[in-house]
Amino acid sequence: DAGVIQSPRHEVTEMGQEVTLRCKPISGHNSLFWYRQTMMRGLELLIYFNNNVPIDDSGMPEDRFSAKMPNASFSTLKIQPSEPRDSAVYFCASREGTYQETQYFGPGTRLLVL
Amino acid sequence: DQQVKQNSPSLSVQEGRISILNCDYTNSMFDYFLWYKKYPAEGPTFLISISSIKDKNEDGRFTVFLNKSAKHLSLHIVPSQPGDSAVYFCAALLQGGSEKLVFGKGTKLTVNP
Repeated sequence: DAGVIQSPRHEVTEMGQEVTLRCKPISGHNSLFWYRQTMMRGLELLIYFNNNVPIDDSGMPEDRFSAKMPNASFSTLKIQPSEPRDSAVYFCASREGTYQETQYFGPGTRLLVL
Repeated sequence: DQQVKQNSPSLSVQEGRISILNCDYTNSMFDYFLWYKKYPAEGPTFLISISSIKDKNEDGRFTVFLNKSAKHLSLHIVPSQPGDSAVYFCAALLQGGSEKLVFGKGTKLTVNP
């Protein structure tokens, strides 16, 4: 299996631009998670989906952030408009089964907003 | 408020010796704990876990100990190898099937040959 695939791996953009991060979970996994890692806050959960349905988006920092999962094999995290404080590494993870099962992380997207 | 704390940002040990990474938590409602390992430019990978009904779980060179009364867990790596050099994250799940993994900020382990 190819594991969780994220694209792009690196993104540099200017403040005010729209940014779209993409994730392909492991085939057969029914849950998908978006995390953000920063020096100040560490790894924090932004949103997760079960069976393509958003379950908890309480970690999404602001309305500028939105996430979709149109099907079982694809999810996007969009930031519009982007701000310098959004600079971070964004990870996608997927999981098969229930909450104590292992989450498998993608390699992350390193975002820099100038 | 940080519910899962890893107070040592870094740790350096000699190859062959024991590495002990520590983690403290504040929320008594956590009932499942995990350790993840992360290499540079990669995502975290699962290492080992422990349920709150146990006090020890072992997997090869890795052992996790849980002290519920102290709200403390530790990861022991014996013997340490240079390939173990990575950032180690402690994480916790709440009772009731919460999906929300709460992570500590990580400890960078360096194993010197």
